[in-house]
Amino acid sequence: EAGVAQSPRYKIIEKRQSVAFWCNPISGHATLYWYQQILGQGPKLLIQFQNNGVVDDSQLPKDRFSAERLKGVDSTLKIQPAKLEDSAVYLCASSQQGSTDTQYFGPGTRLTVL
Amino acid sequence: DAKTTQPPSMDCAEGRAANLPCNHSTISGNEYVYWYRQIHSQGPQYIIHGLKNNETNEMASLIITEDRKSSTLILPHATLRDTAVYYCIVRANTGFQKLVFGTGTRLLVSP
Repeated sequence: EAGVAQSPRYKIIEKRQSVAFWCNPISGHATLYWYQQILGQGPKLLIQFQNNGVVDDSQLPKDRFSAERLKGVDSTLKIQPAKLEDSAVYLCASSQQGSTDTQYFGPGTRLTVL
Repeated sequence: DAKTTQPPSMDCAEGRAANLPCNHSTISGNEYVYWYRQIHSQGPQYIIHGLKNNETNEMASLIITEDRKSSTLILPHATLRDTAVYYCIVRANTGFQKLVFGTGTRLLVSP
């Protein structure tokens, strides 16, 4: 069974630039999550989708971050404009149905903002 | 905020049992204890979870105290590949409950 796929694996941008990350969850998984992991900390949930609807985006900085999952399968997370403090690993995870199911994580995208 | 307390780091010799403690003194009756681990440069990986009974799977055992205020994750025969950050998380299994990660325990397994 293929795991959660993410791209790119690494990205370096300058502050005020835009960046987008892509995630393809495990086939058949209805729930998709985006996490932000700052160096030395545990992952923090940014947004959770159930199919193509948003369940929880309470921790998403909506002035600069956006995410979509238009067809209920893959998803993109965008930052526009980026700030220095956005430097982090962005992790995508998926689970079969709801958030009570086991979450499977992708390898993450490491973003460096200069 | 995370509802658990874990030591920041632990060491273990290869082949020995690694016992990772977790305190969750404010756990509610409907909250489960979950363990995930994160190997360097990878995403977190699910290990095990339990409510009040001890649990065992192919990766580890989970021992929960009778009052449920603390638990221990046991890796019976640690290998070098078990070097990782281990996260203990409490979460209810109802509705859309988040996984709230703390800073975890960094386990170093040495030869």
